[in-house]
Amino acid sequence: GQQLNQSPQSMFIQEGEDVSMNCTSSSIFNTWLWYKQDPGEGPVLLIALYKAGELTSNGRLTAQFGITRKDSFLNISASIPSDVGIYFCAGPLGNAGNMLTFGGGTRLMVKP
Amino acid sequence: SAVISQKPSRDICQRGTSLTIQCQVDSQVTMMFWYRQQPGQSLTLIATANQGSEATYESGFVIDKFPISRPNLTFSTLTVSNMSPEDSSIYLCSAARGQETQYFGPGTRLLVL
Repeated sequence: GQQLNQSPQSMFIQEGEDVSMNCTSSSIFNTWLWYKQDPGEGPVLLIALYKAGELTSNGRLTAQFGITRKDSFLNISASIPSDVGIYFCAGPLGNAGNMLTFGGGTRLMVKP
Repeated sequence: SAVISQKPSRDICQRGTSLTIQCQVDSQVTMMFWYRQQPGQSLTLIATANQGSEATYESGFVIDKFPISRPNLTFSTLTVSNMSPEDSSIYLCSAARGQETQYFGPGTRLLVL
């Protein structure tokens, strides 16, 4: 089945530092999604990417849809304590449209 | 976007019992899904809840263990049947309209003793 490999698994950084995480797949994706899950909550959509090469920003977050359509990265600039959480990449499961497969997640910890 | 609520938010259950989790969306949606998130893990799709017909289950999940109802376009339930400690997880409901991206509920945290 389709698998998304996400790295790193965890990061422990100092407040103010920039963060980069990425997601790769052995198969082509037509959509890449990035979600954040705060402790005790469900995932919240951060950025959606629909076109190869697309670079999209949402405040301090920037995500890119890789040209090969097999990877995506998410950058967070000038991290703050509320950035703490688990970040998941996701993409369509098969050709079924809405169903999603998720990467393993990147757990981000920010030291004030 | 859609606002999704789940009940209960958490529960502690005895093995061998069953728990039904409710998912309510604030507006009509085309698609509703149920996911499981085991401790420290990512999300795994259990099934697609189809309105007016049987749910579509992913590999490794069966209707006898996880019966699902979807009586209308805003509500669905997931039952975790004959529970064992291995069923201790977060169960998440999500919803989408058409080809829109999915929005998630807050999850139900289940601990089976």
